[in-house]
Amino acid sequence: TQLLEQSPQFLSIQEGENLTVYCNSSSVFSSLQWYRQEPGEGPVLLVTVVTGGEVKKLKRLTFQFGDARKDSSLHITAAQPGDTGLYLCAANDYKLSFGAGTTVTVRA
Amino acid sequence: NAGVTQTPKFQVLKTGQSMTLQCAQDMNHNSMYWYRQDPGMGLRLIYYSASEGTTDKGEVPNGYNVSRLNKREFSLRLESAAPSQTSVYFCASSRGPQKTEAFFGQGTRLTVV
Repeated sequence: TQLLEQSPQFLSIQEGENLTVYCNSSSVFSSLQWYRQEPGEGPVLLVTVVTGGEVKKLKRLTFQFGDARKDSSLHITAAQPGDTGLYLCAANDYKLSFGAGTTVTVRA
Repeated sequence: NAGVTQTPKFQVLKTGQSMTLQCAQDMNHNSMYWYRQDPGMGLRLIYYSASEGTTDKGEVPNGYNVSRLNKREFSLRLESAAPSQTSVYFCASSRGPQKTEAFFGQGTRLTVV
């Protein structure tokens, strides 16, 4: 059983559609991170959220940290094929632990 | 600008053989990590080193040992490889153990036959 539960496991959408990926836990975290991984590469950090209720925007990506600091979401607006990849949430409280990831495929 | 360097990139072992995966970072980071990645499982933490001189078990440490040789290098050893250890292994480093960005190597694809 992983500390961080991500849903859905797979997501396939058409270019231009919106999508949301969720990361949930029963534990409280001081911060959560989101990484994106492309095939054959290591994950790369997208964002760190540290305050309950915090919303961060990175171009078409919006990240939210839950008020209770137990969950987070990633929303992509008008998805593009370049957004295709594995999205991983991670908790970095002393040791860096990851969820199982959501594989996002954006079809042209 | 190397970042995190892992060697080798690919390896095939026979069951029962041993090997060491090497990892080095040139960013003067304090914390280093070893993960394995299997389909549908994300990244599972094997061992980590919060600072030079310390190592701790992660979620899946059985069958592995680690050595934090110095601040730059963190190696992962498989003493007697098993087919269940077939996976992609990633090394990562970060400035500190909390809230800081982790940087990853390119991974080692290990097959145990």
